[in-house]
Amino acid sequence: GAVVSQHPSWVICKSGTSVKIECRSLDFQATTMFWYRQFPKQSLMLMATSNEGSKATYEQGVEKDKFLINHASLTLSTLTVTSAHPEDSSFYICSALPAANSYEQYFGPGTRLTVT
Amino acid sequence: GESVGLHLPTLSVQEGDNSIINCAYSNSASDYFIWYKQESGKGPQFIIDIRSNMDKRQGQRVTVLLNKTVKHLSLQIAATQPGDSAVYFCAENIQGAQKLVFGQGTRLTINP
Repeated sequence: GAVVSQHPSWVICKSGTSVKIECRSLDFQATTMFWYRQFPKQSLMLMATSNEGSKATYEQGVEKDKFLINHASLTLSTLTVTSAHPEDSSFYICSALPAANSYEQYFGPGTRLTVT
Repeated sequence: GESVGLHLPTLSVQEGDNSIINCAYSNSASDYFIWYKQESGKGPQFIIDIRSNMDKRQGQRVTVLLNKTVKHLSLQIAATQPGDSAVYFCAENIQGAQKLVFGQGTRLTINP
């Protein structure tokens, strides 16, 4: 149980375009989902916290107008990278917090974004 | 800002030996700690966790030790196997914030 999926697993887009990444909890409901970014050989950095039905809370330094987060249901959160640039190329990982568990986050497999 | 850090960025261990990965944290308000394993191109995989009211917890081949006095966390892996080769991250949950802060990671390599 407690499986989180992401789609797509990898995507290549041209500079200036937008790309949407989906995060789904497959067998549980998640009141809270998190989005992380990981650059090569670095750690995971939290970008934002997404709560179902409300606006996401962004970490300091993360542009909310560039990284649009929508958490429309208890099983789906989306991250849209708008007007992508090469420096946005990274590994984006989501995690989900089951409603019945206040601590353990379940992580998705990640999405590799390459902006050319 | 506050962060969780690691003493050793890389660690090589002979197959069958035990390994110890260390982590220092700085937030005294953290109430929950987790170790994750990440293989190349994949998301983090939960290994073991420990709450701040404990100082030791054991799993299958893994043990986590928490020393709140010096804000230190360690992961011990017994009888290492080639499949243990990965990057290991510690993470702390900031009490009340319900979010994780990750350490910098240690790459563990198991030599045959």
